[in-house]
Amino acid sequence: AQKVTQAQTEISVVEKEDVTLDCVYETRDTTYYLFWYKQPPSGELVFLIRRNSFDEQNEISGRYSWNFQKSTSSFNFTITASQVVDSAVYFCALSPLDTGRRALTFGSGTRLQVQP
Amino acid sequence: DTEVTQTPKHLVMGMTNKKSLKCEQHMGHRAMYWYKQKAKKPPELMFVYSYEKLSINESVPSRFSPECPNSSLLNLHLHALQPEDSALYLCASSQSGTGGFYGYTFGSGTRLTVV
Repeated sequence: AQKVTQAQTEISVVEKEDVTLDCVYETRDTTYYLFWYKQPPSGELVFLIRRNSFDEQNEISGRYSWNFQKSTSSFNFTITASQVVDSAVYFCALSPLDTGRRALTFGSGTRLQVQP
Repeated sequence: DTEVTQTPKHLVMGMTNKKSLKCEQHMGHRAMYWYKQKAKKPPELMFVYSYEKLSINESVPSRFSPECPNSSLLNLHLHALQPEDSALYLCASSQSGTGGFYGYTFGSGTRLTVV
């Protein structure tokens, strides 16, 4: 069984603040993928990052960075200098590598509100 | 073409109606998915098709009937739905096989309201 936990239901920050969204996962698989998606009010899921379990390098993309720690089963997401356009629901998700069971399991999501 | 196209974008149907949701992709992906997302909840997996065969059915009620007529098309047939079935229905696709898995591509969804 797989499980993704996003303990922060809602976060409110003021523009230009840094914010970290937490994600903890459980899986019996030794190989898997982790994802972050953004869902603005319009509803579409916007892909942000994919990380496979072999690769524990952290990644930075502009104002976004991700910290993957296999030892603590965490895959946290930091937005630096937040902007109003970052307001959305953010989902962390997990997928097996096994093609026969490949599908995404989502966390409950964190609603981020960035105030001007 | 790197998109998953879902039609219609919005649908209102009565509890006695029969309707279908359509999902199309031309990326050569051989796995396709239906997810259901209720308001303020995460997407929940309904069905997975792999090489046009149903590979995962997450105990979805029979009033939802999926169909994969070819490798590019995925339908979800709806019949005798209940108001609690009102939700955003998301379609996704992915490559199947061990080589070059790049993740899932989602459509923009069909917002369904059952009255």
